[in-house]
Amino acid sequence: QSVLTQPPSVSGAPGQRVTISCTGTSSNIGAGYDVHWYQQLPRTAPKLLIHGNSNRPSGVPDRFSGSKSGTSASLAITGLQAEDEADYYCQSYDTSLGGAKVFGGGTKLTVL
Amino acid sequence: QVQLQESGPGMTKPSETLSLTCTVSRYNINSGYFWAWVRQPPGKGLEWIGSIYHSGGTYYNPSLKNRVSISIDASKNQFSLNLTSVTAADTAVYYCARTLVAGSPIEYWGQGALVTVSS
Repeated sequence: QSVLTQPPSVSGAPGQRVTISCTGTSSNIGAGYDVHWYQQLPRTAPKLLIHGNSNRPSGVPDRFSGSKSGTSASLAITGLQAEDEADYYCQSYDTSLGGAKVFGGGTKLTVL
Repeated sequence: QVQLQESGPGMTKPSETLSLTCTVSRYNINSGYFWAWVRQPPGKGLEWIGSIYHSGGTYYNPSLKNRVSISIDASKNQFSLNLTSVTAADTAVYYCARTLVAGSPIEYWGQGALVTVSS
């Protein structure tokens, strides 16, 4: 069971907007630690998509955006494209039990 | 652009030690940053294993702390993972990566190496 909670799957039609939630607790997101998002295409390594809650690395389209509030964070994807079909993971830091980077369980995005 | 490449046996026997090495290219490992290992069991999510600073300080996932060690060989621009007393539950794709302290993101990832624990 992952420390951060994500929905197992979301779906949307091309052109639509989807959001993926990431819920934590007072020992991670709620403690003020940043949330980062990764995109993992099939059979490839994860790729950093959003860092510091809402910042896009160079080369990431502005269709991807992130936000954080309280003990939760969200990833939004607008103008959905077939190439966005992938697994998405959130990541933060947890101070319990000595401290560790922690991930969500991942969300499978299906483009209908 | 930093490049990372995992290498090591693709299979390890139960109760033995899993060992992997990550070779870093296009960046001097002594110049800074933390060097990390993350794993992903087949069909499952990501798990942070631990990281090492270029000067040798280490940080491990508390759930694996008793079995894991990460070391660095700056002369070869490499860092390594040892995981002892493995079981089938340790079967996973192991990624090496570059990151910073605590709440920072993981910027660069290797392509991953599948290690199967089986007799």
